[in-house]
Amino acid sequence: DSGVTQTPKHLITATGQRVTLRCSPRSGDLSVYWYQQSLDQGLQFLIQYYNGEERAKGNILERFSAQQFPDLHSELNLSSLELGDSALYFCASSVQAASWGTDTQYFGPGTRLTVL
Amino acid sequence: AQSVTQPDIHITVSEGASLELRCNYSYGATPYLFWYVQSPGQGLQLLLKYFSGDTLVQGIKGFEAEFKRSQSSFNLRKPSVHWSDAAEYFCAVGGNNNDMRFGAGTRLTVKP
Repeated sequence: DSGVTQTPKHLITATGQRVTLRCSPRSGDLSVYWYQQSLDQGLQFLIQYYNGEERAKGNILERFSAQQFPDLHSELNLSSLELGDSALYFCASSVQAASWGTDTQYFGPGTRLTVL
Repeated sequence: AQSVTQPDIHITVSEGASLELRCNYSYGATPYLFWYVQSPGQGLQLLLKYFSGDTLVQGIKGFEAEFKRSQSSFNLRKPSVHWSDAAEYFCAVGGNNNDMRFGAGTRLTVKP
């Protein structure tokens, strides 16, 4: 158990809909990262927040957005969903943000999103 | 930006046999290297990491990895594989450029 929690575990929705994925980081971690894992794209970094502020952006679509709240939990919002958005979405957390490519990330169990 | 190549998509080894998973990276500066393992239906768990110092790194579950700068490699090894090691393994490279890239993963099957 990494200490990172994600809800829900599974989500099934229809094209065009909007969903929200939730992540609670490990106690004491200030950084939250979101990743998308799909069969064709592999594991892709989406976005990072540190102590409530966006710090780094990866291959995140404009239809997707995220935020980190004062209690440090984070939400990833996916809108106008398409079939291709079906994937596993992981949240990870780490202690700090500076040069996060050097920081050890702890991953949650993921949310499996199925878009029908 | 950095990149990672895991040349082997799928590897099968017999239980008790030795294992080596390959990882090659491309990065112009000092790399920060990681190996993660993902069991079915689970998130990624850190096995080991290399930042600096001794190029042979020991990790959890009996795994080790060796950083070879001249070959741009960070191969993962285990002397004797257990059935519970069957999983997907990801190599990742990070750096001070505020980015991290994961390889495509290597799926390990362990034969009884």
